[in-house]
Amino acid sequence: NAGVTQTPKFQVLKTGQSMTLQCAQDMNHNSMYWYRQDPGMGLRLIYYSASEGTTDKGEVPNGYNVSRLNKREFSLRLESAAPSQTSVYFCASSPQHGVTEGYTFGSGTRLTVV
Amino acid sequence: QQQVKQSPQSLIVQKGGISIINCAYENTAFDYFPWYQQFPGKGPALLIAIRPDVSEKKEGRFTISFNKSAKQFSLHIMDSQPGDSATYFCAAIDRAGSYQLTFGKGTKLSVIP
Repeated sequence: NAGVTQTPKFQVLKTGQSMTLQCAQDMNHNSMYWYRQDPGMGLRLIYYSASEGTTDKGEVPNGYNVSRLNKREFSLRLESAAPSQTSVYFCASSPQHGVTEGYTFGSGTRLTVV
Repeated sequence: QQQVKQSPQSLIVQKGGISIINCAYENTAFDYFPWYQQFPGKGPALLIAIRPDVSEKKEGRFTISFNKSAKQFSLHIMDSQPGDSATYFCAAIDRAGSYQLTFGKGTKLSVIP
């Protein structure tokens, strides 16, 4: 019962480096999401994929790109990391876009950009 | 523009006491209001949720109170236990429009023995 799996759990990047955060779910959910969590800011939506083959911007998309590789996998890419992107990143999935029952978060990736 | 305002930012409660966290929203299109509980190093997990046509929902020691006219809702944790120590987020969603969850900024609850 893995649920939503995120890799890596921790990462340190230098300013300007690129990296991809991976997310996979095994619940046959249609919708997947990327959030960032900063102290005192709650969770803010970066990008989401309502269904396989579609992606849309959330509240804070600048500096990020996403790929919905297949129904299970949704990756988040930082092309040129900046210190402002230091954060904890959470992937989530839900049965359908707008359905909160069954909305499941991963355990997060803690990213530090120096 | 913060659409869901949550208070307090942090809360310390004695074991056995009542913890109360408040949220207020602005968007009248929101039609579902979940609460999430997050332990350190973990992702948020759904705790309890309410629809705006219900004034109160109770699940065990956790109760949501909802005031539609005031656009406010709150989480009450009765008989608070040290194991309840976590960060709590209120949220709201417009299931007929944007379908996106909007979160409050969170409340860090510490229950002391």
